[in-house]
Amino acid sequence: NAGVTQTPKFQVLKTGQSMTLQCAQDMNHEYMSWYRQDPGMGLRLIHYSVGAGITDQGEVPNGYNVSRSTTEDFPLRLLSAAPSQTSVYFCASRVRGDGYTFGSGTRLTVV
Amino acid sequence: KQEVTQIPAALSVPEGENLVLNCSFTDSAIYNLQWFRQDPGKGLTSLLLIQSSQREQTSGRLNASLDKSSGRSTLYIAASQPGDSATYLCAVIDDYKLSFGAGTTVTVRA
Repeated sequence: NAGVTQTPKFQVLKTGQSMTLQCAQDMNHEYMSWYRQDPGMGLRLIHYSVGAGITDQGEVPNGYNVSRSTTEDFPLRLLSAAPSQTSVYFCASRVRGDGYTFGSGTRLTVV
Repeated sequence: KQEVTQIPAALSVPEGENLVLNCSFTDSAIYNLQWFRQDPGKGLTSLLLIQSSQREQTSGRLNASLDKSSGRSTLYIAASQPGDSATYLCAVIDDYKLSFGAGTTVTVRA
């Protein structure tokens, strides 16, 4: 039981490049979500999913896409990276009625 | 919109002292409340989950209380140790979403 696995752990992108942050969980959790953590701004919700095939926007969705084709995976796509997307990204999951489990994070720098 | 506030923002105590961390939220219609610990450069580790129907939850030296009517939760850490130094985050669970406080950074001096 690996919990929530995020890859990569670190990434440097050039402005305008695209990339996908991977998130996988092996706990059969219904809910999955992506957060970004910035100094002085705390943790903010980007996108979330309440089940396979169902996604919705959170507080700061602009510049990001998600899809959920399976229960296990919830990738986050940066369409055209901008320096404002430099952040630490966390994926989290839970089953309804229980608490959230977080991944170890992806530290992204856009130059 | 749910607003979560944590006071104090930082706390420094000598080893052995009890810690009291406060969390307040504006909307009492919550599902659950969860306390996390975050070490520098690391992810979030869940400490305690309090269901909305519960008044408190305990795990070892940690005890968390919840008063929905007043919009408050308190995390107590007994007999603090240097290893307790970290940032503690309070998060309110509104079904699909977590609303986080800014955290309390704790330093326990040996």
